[in-house]
Amino acid sequence: DAGVIQSPRHEVTEMGQEVTLRCKPISGHDYLFWYRQTMMRGLELLIYFNNNVPIDDSGMPEDRFSAKMPNASFSTLKIQPSEPRDSAVYFCASSFGTLTDTQYFGPGTRLTVL
Amino acid sequence: GENVEQHPSTLSVQEGDSAVIKCTYSDSASNYFPWYKQELGKRPQLIIDIRSNVGEKKDQRIAVTLNKTAKHFSLHITETQPEDSAVYFCAARGYGQNFVFGPGTRLSVLP
Repeated sequence: DAGVIQSPRHEVTEMGQEVTLRCKPISGHDYLFWYRQTMMRGLELLIYFNNNVPIDDSGMPEDRFSAKMPNASFSTLKIQPSEPRDSAVYFCASSFGTLTDTQYFGPGTRLTVL
Repeated sequence: GENVEQHPSTLSVQEGDSAVIKCTYSDSASNYFPWYKQELGKRPQLIIDIRSNVGEKKDQRIAVTLNKTAKHFSLHITETQPEDSAVYFCAARGYGQNFVFGPGTRLSVLP
């Protein structure tokens, strides 16, 4: 298995633009997590899905952020409109079975909003 | 909600020495405590975890201890090597909760 796949790896955009980050979890994993990492706030869980259903989005910072998981092999995190303070590394992770099973992280998307 | 503190924020040790990183959590209902290692520019990777029904777990040079009464857990790395240099994150999760991560400890192993 190729592991968790994220695209793009780097994204540079201008303030006000829409940004879409993509994630393909490990095949067979039924949990998918979106994290954001910054120097100031560390690693934050934004939202997680179980069997494609959003379970807890309490970590999503604002209404500008939305996430979807239309099927078991694909998820998106969208920011619209983007702001400079959204600049961060966004990680997707997946796990199998329960919330306490090992989470495997993707390589991350480094987002820069100018 | 859960709050996780982690100390120290930076740690330098000589190669071959031991390193200890400590985390405290606030919610007594938390029952799962993973540790992640993140090398510069790379993704976090799970290195060891412990559940609340266990007091200690060991995997080669790495061990984790949990004190539920005091609500703290620690990562112990023995015989440190230069490749152990990274940022280490602890996390805690309880039933019905999200994962909450500590702020991280930057470990430098000096040759």
